[in-house]
Amino acid sequence: EAGVAQSPRYKIIEKRQSVAFWCNPISGHATLYWYQQILGQGPKLLIQFQNNGVVDDSQLPKDRFSAERLKGVDSTLKIQPAKLEDSAVYLCASSLDGTSFSEQYFGPGTRLTVT
Amino acid sequence: GDSVTQMEGPVTLSEEAFLTINCTYTATGYPSLFWYVQYPGEGLQLLLKATKADDKGSNKGFEATYRKETTSFHLEKGSVQVSDSAVYFCALTDSWGKFQFGAGTQVVVTP
Repeated sequence: EAGVAQSPRYKIIEKRQSVAFWCNPISGHATLYWYQQILGQGPKLLIQFQNNGVVDDSQLPKDRFSAERLKGVDSTLKIQPAKLEDSAVYLCASSLDGTSFSEQYFGPGTRLTVT
Repeated sequence: GDSVTQMEGPVTLSEEAFLTINCTYTATGYPSLFWYVQYPGEGLQLLLKATKADDKGSNKGFEATYRKETTSFHLEKGSVQVSDSAVYFCALTDSWGKFQFGAGTQVVVTP
């Protein structure tokens, strides 16, 4: 079974530029998550999708971050414009049904550096 | 809101030593509890989980017991190996499946 795929693995941009990350979850998984992991901290949930609907985006900085999940499968996360404090690893995860018992499977992450 | 607190690292041990990583939580309701591990250069992987009080999760020699009375889920391993060097994250999910992660504890095992 293929795991969660993310691209790119690394990205370096200047502040005020825009950037997009892509995620392909495990086939059949209804729930998709985007996390931000700042160095030395645990992952922080940015947005949770159930199929192609948003379940929770309470911690997404909506003035600069946006995300969509196309046809309930792939997802993209965009930052526009980027700030220095956006430097982090962006993790995508998926789970079968998003219940509290359901394991999340994580992708390798995209390491973003904003200079 | 819900939260997870785990001991700060790094924790440095010799091979075959006993490992304990403390984790306590604050939650309304009855969360499920998880330990995830992140090996260098890799993504997070589920290590073990427990979904109700007094459940014990175990995997690869690691164990953790869901203690509702002390709101704890401490991770233990009796004899660590160099290959156990990683960052360990304690996490919980609420009834809506929303995850809260601790800050992570780096473990370094030396030969």
